[in-house]
Amino acid sequence: NAGVTQTPKFQVLKTGQSMTLQCAQDMNHNSMYWYRQDPGMGLRLIYYSASEGTTDKGEVPNGYNVSRLNKREFSLRLESAAPSQTSVYFCASTRLAGGPIYEQYFGPGTRLTVT
Amino acid sequence: DAKTTQPNSMESNEEEPVHLPCNHSTISGTDYIHWYRQLPSQGPEYVIHGLTSNVNNRMASLAIAEDRKSSTLILHRATLRDAAVYYCILLMEYGNKLVFGAGTILRVKS
Repeated sequence: NAGVTQTPKFQVLKTGQSMTLQCAQDMNHNSMYWYRQDPGMGLRLIYYSASEGTTDKGEVPNGYNVSRLNKREFSLRLESAAPSQTSVYFCASTRLAGGPIYEQYFGPGTRLTVT
Repeated sequence: DAKTTQPNSMESNEEEPVHLPCNHSTISGTDYIHWYRQLPSQGPEYVIHGLTSNVNNRMASLAIAEDRKSSTLILHRATLRDAAVYYCILLMEYGNKLVFGAGTILRVKS
């Protein structure tokens, strides 16, 4: 069981470039999430997918798009990267299936720098 | 969403108990109290959660005030590995979005 995996681990982009962050979970979880964490701050929710086929905006969705490719995979796309998107990005998943969240499982993070 | 208030930082000696407080005076009857922690350079990990009664698991204990306006995460014997940021989060019974504040930075001295 790998849990939640994220690729890449590190990335440097120039302003205006695009890229996709990949996330996969092997725990048969229904819900998946993307967060960002700026230095010295707590995590902020970008987008989430409560179940396969659905996605919803979180607290800070501007500049991002997501795709829930299947139950296992949830990707985050930056169409035109900006320096303000320099951050650590965490993917997470949870078992929620019409019931309350108990444990949310997090990936190791992707450290993104936009110059 | 109901808010939580935690101290910015706390310090503990190794092998001593640590009590991490959290105030949530506007908590509603269906809000669960969750605790997560984030070790350096890692993603957060679940620690414990509760509703009204005190809870224990292999990692920690959660003591919830009778009026539920505050709670305390208890690490019974702090180790150097417990140095982390600890987040206290309220979540509605069928809510699906965790809202992270700044948390409490716990430093453990050897």
